[in-house]
Amino acid sequence: EDKVVQSPLSLVVHEGDTVTLNCSYEVTNFRSLLWYKQEKKAPTFLFMLTSSGIEKKSGRLSSILDKKELFSILNITATQTGDSAVYLCAVPSSGNTGKLIFGQGTTLQVKP
Amino acid sequence: EAQVTQNPRYLITVTGKKLTVTCSQNMNHEYMSWYRQDPGLGLRQIYYSMNVEVTDKGDVPEGYKVSRKEKRNFPLILESPSPNQTSLYFCASSPSDAAPGYTFGSGTRLTVV
Repeated sequence: EDKVVQSPLSLVVHEGDTVTLNCSYEVTNFRSLLWYKQEKKAPTFLFMLTSSGIEKKSGRLSSILDKKELFSILNITATQTGDSAVYLCAVPSSGNTGKLIFGQGTTLQVKP
Repeated sequence: EAQVTQNPRYLITVTGKKLTVTCSQNMNHEYMSWYRQDPGLGLRQIYYSMNVEVTDKGDVPEGYKVSRKEKRNFPLILESPSPNQTSLYFCASSPSDAAPGYTFGSGTRLTVV
């Protein structure tokens, strides 16, 4: 069964801290891994990863995939209060269903 | 603007009263899905559609119906809502089954009392 597990489930940090969010997955036919940010509304797309070792970067956010060990990490450096959100990791399911398998999400709270 | 539009954004209803949540996309996407999001359970797929008149069950289809008569619209129907269907619902569309261009609607917060 396809599965995505995220850790930690929640995290509280102070502005300026660096955080690392983890995502492990099991899927029969891996095609990609996606990271989303959700702030009390619809998830918004952050990164798509398909190849191991290629780091994706967008400002203070970066992500990397390890296809051998079946996990990905999302790093946020110099955190700001605006980074407070739920971060979701997802993989497309093996079947032709248009389904994304989501992890439970990591709730990040950044305190001033 | 490319988007997925859901209505209503908030809905409070009583047990057993039929309701429909509408979803429309303007990107000519083939795939559309409905998800529900519950604390501790994440987002789970309810139903999906690969094209007009092609729909199938996702992981949690009980108590829901969908239809895809036009490419742009994918309504979610609750024939007899129950309190366990209280949840946050998202419609999403994508051009294919694995593309990063997976766009979510703004969500519908449904409360069934």
